[in-house]
Amino acid sequence: AQSVTQPDIHITVSEGASLELRCNYSYGATPYLFWYVQSPGQGLQLLLKYFSGDTLVQGIKGFEAEFKRSQSSFNLRKPSVHWSDAAEYFCAVGALNQAGTALIFGKGTTLSVSS
Amino acid sequence: SAVISQKPSRDICQRGTSLTIQCQVDSQVTMMFWYRQQPGQSLTLIATANQGSEATYESGFVIDKFPISRPNLTFSTLTVSNLSPEDSSIYLCSVVGRIGETQYFGPGTRLLVL
Repeated sequence: AQSVTQPDIHITVSEGASLELRCNYSYGATPYLFWYVQSPGQGLQLLLKYFSGDTLVQGIKGFEAEFKRSQSSFNLRKPSVHWSDAAEYFCAVGALNQAGTALIFGKGTTLSVSS
Repeated sequence: SAVISQKPSRDICQRGTSLTIQCQVDSQVTMMFWYRQQPGQSLTLIATANQGSEATYESGFVIDKFPISRPNLTFSTLTVSNLSPEDSSIYLCSVVGRIGETQYFGPGTRLLVL
């Protein structure tokens, strides 16, 4: 069965430091992969996505992610974290169900930014 | 990207009652989905809303508890019936323009059941 694992429940990073959030997936075919961010009291905002092609994808707010098929990973990175990046981050994989394309989400990683 | 609105944005309901949530998109979309996000948890797919036919429910979700309508390509409703405190969650609708493309989410409806 398809699944997404985000091993880190909570991460604290100093402002200006680099960030890497881990995501591993289990899927039988080439997956569609996404990272979403949810700020407190807000809906989900798409950060970036991978469908095919270049395995290093750039997103909004200075985020990037790299698809590594051999490791079944799609880790999210940012070279310098800002205090406004504090939020919940969800990795998701696109799976084909009987009616179309729905998403399977990881449990999320809470990012705290310290000054 | 599609602009998605949900009504109501939040509500407090008494147990045993029902709440209907509306999802409106500013353009025609292929797929519409309903998700639930329980407190401190990730998102779980409830069902796929099919235009003009019965919704397709995921394991653990049934039509009697979560009836869904989708009368056209821009609108859907989710009703949460016979509410209990365990139904307190955020309910989000999402849309896909074409199969395999990016899924966009509405702002969510925060439901508290007392």
